[in-house]
Amino acid sequence: QKEVEQDPGPLSVPEGAIVSLNCTYSNSAFQYFMWYRQYSRKGPELLMYTYSSGNKEDGRFTAQVDKSSKYISLFIRDSQPSDSATYLCAMSAGFQKLVFGTGTRLLVSP
Amino acid sequence: GAVVSQHPSWVICKSGTSVKIECRSLDFQATTMFWYRQFPKQSLMLMATSNEGSKATYEQGVEKDKFLINHASLTLSTLTVTSAHPEDSSFYICSAPREGGYGYTFGSGTRLTVV
Repeated sequence: QKEVEQDPGPLSVPEGAIVSLNCTYSNSAFQYFMWYRQYSRKGPELLMYTYSSGNKEDGRFTAQVDKSSKYISLFIRDSQPSDSATYLCAMSAGFQKLVFGTGTRLLVSP
Repeated sequence: GAVVSQHPSWVICKSGTSVKIECRSLDFQATTMFWYRQFPKQSLMLMATSNEGSKATYEQGVEKDKFLINHASLTLSTLTVTSAHPEDSSFYICSAPREGGYGYTFGSGTRLTVV
């Protein structure tokens, strides 16, 4: 079993839809949870950063962490074609190496 | 803030030659740099962790003599792929922890093609 599981997609939605991206994990030591967006042939870009459980909102993006279920989510409201990218969840036990999910490819059609 | 500049963005080299990839932290001091490798449609796989002034720590299965990492200053870390072979063709990305512990910042990546 992988430490972090993420559905690779692709996930296709129409413009304006609410997108839900999820990851599950097995290591209860993870405390720091991140979501990265990666465009093709580019490095990942940090979208959201959360410590421990709870919700965090930033513009159209909301990150949720449920440590009891070992489940994290990223919601994108009013999705735009420019949101089409691969979304990677990542987590760590401390300021150590990140463990990444496989990434979910999102396609937002106009 | 917290920008990591990675060069080159792409490189093509012949089998048997060596290629050096540089990552510079532009507006902060990166005492630690992580080096990742990413195959098409796959996630990032950590190759090694470099710390300024000390030897890099390599992940299991990564050849130290093939992937030479140098972190001689707080703003520069380099990865040299020695005696490159076609199977080394991949996307290489560096990353450094942001100051204050607020996540990690990534370089733009280097696409290496060995022919």
